Amino acid sequence: GENVEQHPSTLSVQEGDSAVIKCTYSDSASNYFPWYKQELGKRPQLIIDIRSNVGEKKDQRIAVTLNKTAKHFSLHITETQPEDSAVYFCAASSKTSYDKVIFGPGTSLSVIP
Amino acid sequence: DSGVTQTPKHLITATGQRVTLRCSPRSGDLSVYWYQQSLDQGLQFLIQYYNGEERAKGNILERFSAQQFPDLHSELNLSSLELGDSALYFCASSVWDSNNEQFFGPGTRLTVL
Repeated sequence: GENVEQHPSTLSVQEGDSAVIKCTYSDSASNYFPWYKQELGKRPQLIIDIRSNVGEKKDQRIAVTLNKTAKHFSLHITETQPEDSAVYFCAASSKTSYDKVIFGPGTSLSVIP
Repeated sequence: DSGVTQTPKHLITATGQRVTLRCSPRSGDLSVYWYQQSLDQGLQFLIQYYNGEERAKGNILERFSAQQFPDLHSELNLSSLELGDSALYFCASSVWDSNNEQFFGPGTRLTVL
């Protein structure tokens, strides 16, 4: 069945350093790849997304890259700040015979001041 | 505030009981999704409705059922509850289908004793 893998499961970085989270997906028909951030005790919120017709998208300190051939995509956070500490979920969605989004297991990011 | 509301916020019940969780999507959103998040776990997709009809199913147990009403609010029914059903249940909504940003509600914390 459809599957999204995410690595690493935990990540600690020093404030100001960069953080990279990688995801792979199994369904080659996937065409929408959102990233959600969930702070402790709060709801997940979309931070950035990318569609299959582009290879990279940036929004200030956050960027996402997509390699459709290899079926993987990555989240890059530069100049990390303590408020970036949260659990990050990648996801993949397609509109073929089914219509649902599959989430990765999550990455717990800790930014050390 | 995402515009998605969920009630109740907390629910404590006993094994074998039945409960109903309620979700009101953002105004104008046609899709509603239900997720289960156990302690320190990821987001497990349960079921999706689109404009009143079931659109996709995830790993939803047979003891669980859901529906979306004509006014687009949704209810998730959990029956014959077990200790392992204790979790945070999120509802999310999107304008159209899963290829769009999902807006999550605050969640319902279910504790089964």
